Amino acid sequence: ETGVTQTPRHLVMGMTNKKSLKCEQHLGHNAMYWYKQSAKKPLELMFVYSLEERVENNSVPSRFSPECPNSSHLFLHLHTLQPEDSALYLCASSQDGGNEQFFGPGTRLTVL
Amino acid sequence: AQTVTQSQPEMSVQEAETVTLSCTYDTSENNYYLFWYKQPPSRQMILVIRQEAYKQQNATENRFSVNFQKAAKSFSLKISDSQLGDTAMYFCAFMKQEYGNKLVFGAGTILRVKS
Repeated sequence: ETGVTQTPRHLVMGMTNKKSLKCEQHLGHNAMYWYKQSAKKPLELMFVYSLEERVENNSVPSRFSPECPNSSHLFLHLHTLQPEDSALYLCASSQDGGNEQFFGPGTRLTVL
Repeated sequence: AQTVTQSQPEMSVQEAETVTLSCTYDTSENNYYLFWYKQPPSRQMILVIRQEAYKQQNATENRFSVNFQKAAKSFSLKISDSQLGDTAMYFCAFMKQEYGNKLVFGAGTILRVKS
């Protein structure tokens, strides 16, 4: 595997389910990010981890819970989501210091 | 807070022609970075070009170049010799120099290259 990978690529869940999104980066970077991409809205930064420490939490509802066990892995735990949470969730990584972010292919989430 | 505005929701261009995508931003920072990202229909976002605000020279990457006007807070992308593979959503993004490398994105411009 190269670059940034995300699993699953597609996820359909009910509002009472608990699921997790996984992101893995194979680039040796020290920062990882979760973004939400909804139709006709700019990408919204959700969480930033740098050196495995959370440095940003953009007023994201508590039904989204991130976890960064090491610099290569990032999870987004989901529980009791709402239909408006349906979106493409993108993971990215970078080397801290003003460098570009490398994105994964995203997880298309549908909440029924 | 920084904002990024892309005023063109959709653009079309004929193959082999040139097209310019507009981007303006608002910031009080002096040191920052600007990016253009491309998101093809397959959804993988990739970097097209990057500009450091302290550099006066406009960045160029093969057929892609920018017109960076710092005083006007404008950062347009020019695509020369457009190819069918350039069809994608293009996002302009801003990053200020700070711990965490947080990107602020514009709403995007859909570019369609026609044969």
